[in-house]
Amino acid sequence: NAGVTQTPKFRILKIGQSMTLQCTQDMNHNYMYWYRQDPGMGLKLIYYSVGAGITDKGEVPNGYNVSRSTTEDFPLRLELAAPSQTSVYFCASSNGQSPSPLHFGNGTRLTVT
Amino acid sequence: AQTVTQSQPEMSVQEAETVTLSCTYDTSESDYYLFWYKQPPSRQMILVIRQEAYKQQNATENRFSVNFQKAAKSFSLKISDSQLGDAAMYFCAYRSGNTGKLIFGQGTTLQVKP
Repeated sequence: NAGVTQTPKFRILKIGQSMTLQCTQDMNHNYMYWYRQDPGMGLKLIYYSVGAGITDKGEVPNGYNVSRSTTEDFPLRLELAAPSQTSVYFCASSNGQSPSPLHFGNGTRLTVT
Repeated sequence: AQTVTQSQPEMSVQEAETVTLSCTYDTSESDYYLFWYKQPPSRQMILVIRQEAYKQQNATENRFSVNFQKAAKSFSLKISDSQLGDAAMYFCAYRSGNTGKLIFGQGTTLQVKP
């Protein structure tokens, strides 16, 4: 099992550019999440999804978009990148049953200059 | 909206001693779950312990236990017999049983002194 796979691992963007962070899981999990973590800080929820076709905003959704066309994939789109979006991005999934734990990807380190 | 607050940015403990990390949360929901995660310098997120809100009994996992005070909306983590490998950032997390939304606190950095 690959678990949760995020690509790319690292990326440098120029201000105003756009990109998509990919996240895929092979555990048939219904719940998927995107978080950002600034240095020395906690994880902030950007968007989440409880199933294919269903997405909802988290704590810091501005500047981002998501889609969930399949159970496996949950891409995060950054439009018009800004320096404030420099962060480490984590994708996570869980099966949503009882207190099932999150399975995390390895993260994407994004720098916007 | 739900919130999770960890009021201790940093804590330190002597090896083999006991330390308690604090977490409070705010919610109007009755169905929710609480978690503690550990994040070592590798950035990997590791589940430490979890608690269902409807269970009165405090969860325990080996050296890790929680003090879940539902009325006070408090969910502290106790680490007994602290080991050097426990040094990490610890995050408290809340998951809504209604919406599936899962949010984290700001984190507490734990230092373990030999």
